[in-house]
Amino acid sequence: EVKLVESGGVVVKPGGSLRLSCAVSGFSFEDYAMHWVRQRPGQGLEWVGLISSDGSTVYYGDSVKDRFTISRDNRKNSLSLQMNGLRPDDTALYFCARALLWQQLTDWGQGTLVTVSS
Amino acid sequence: IKMTQSPSSLSASVGDKVTITCQASQDIKYYVNWYQQKPGKAPKLLISDASNLETGVPSRFSGSGSGTDFTFTIRSLQPEDFATYFCQQYDNFPPYSFGQGTKVEI
Repeated sequence: EVKLVESGGVVVKPGGSLRLSCAVSGFSFEDYAMHWVRQRPGQGLEWVGLISSDGSTVYYGDSVKDRFTISRDNRKNSLSLQMNGLRPDDTALYFCARALLWQQLTDWGQGTLVTVSS
Repeated sequence: IKMTQSPSSLSASVGDKVTITCQASQDIKYYVNWYQQKPGKAPKLLISDASNLETGVPSRFSGSGSGTDFTFTIRSLQPEDFATYFCQQYDNFPPYSFGQGTKVEI
């Protein structure tokens, strides 16, 4: 069974940093690109970024570029999202998702909630 | 690329036909996915490549379109279909932009 479990979401002050993790199981992690997608409370989906299967290629959405960093450890079946310079509008539920051929987000975790507030 | 999805919400009854549209700001060929999200749950991929039904997804769901105009249809709405639906383009990335979502309510 494919499983993705996000963790690390907490309340953090504006300007702070946070690292989210996504632990995966049930598939060969090193064969798949992975995405982060976020959803602000009561809002739609916003694509955060993508990392290729080997970690050599990373893309970011405009609103997080230069503040967020996606990385992965294929030995540990783990995906990370390092978030710096957090702002109140980064408050959201953050999902990790497995991608087929980069394009189809076929499997998702349940999300971890990040709240940025003073 | 901006994905304009409409309507933002709709009310329908069990058995109704439901149609949701997504318009891309430029030609994206057939590179559109459709997702379903129920409250408190993660999104679920229903359709890829504009019209390709994912394994296990009921055949009452369908997608069509190419270029800039795309349609998602539920042929006969079932109680478990009340949810929010999103389109997403992947022709020109980054970003993999989503539509604003359509909430299907009773």
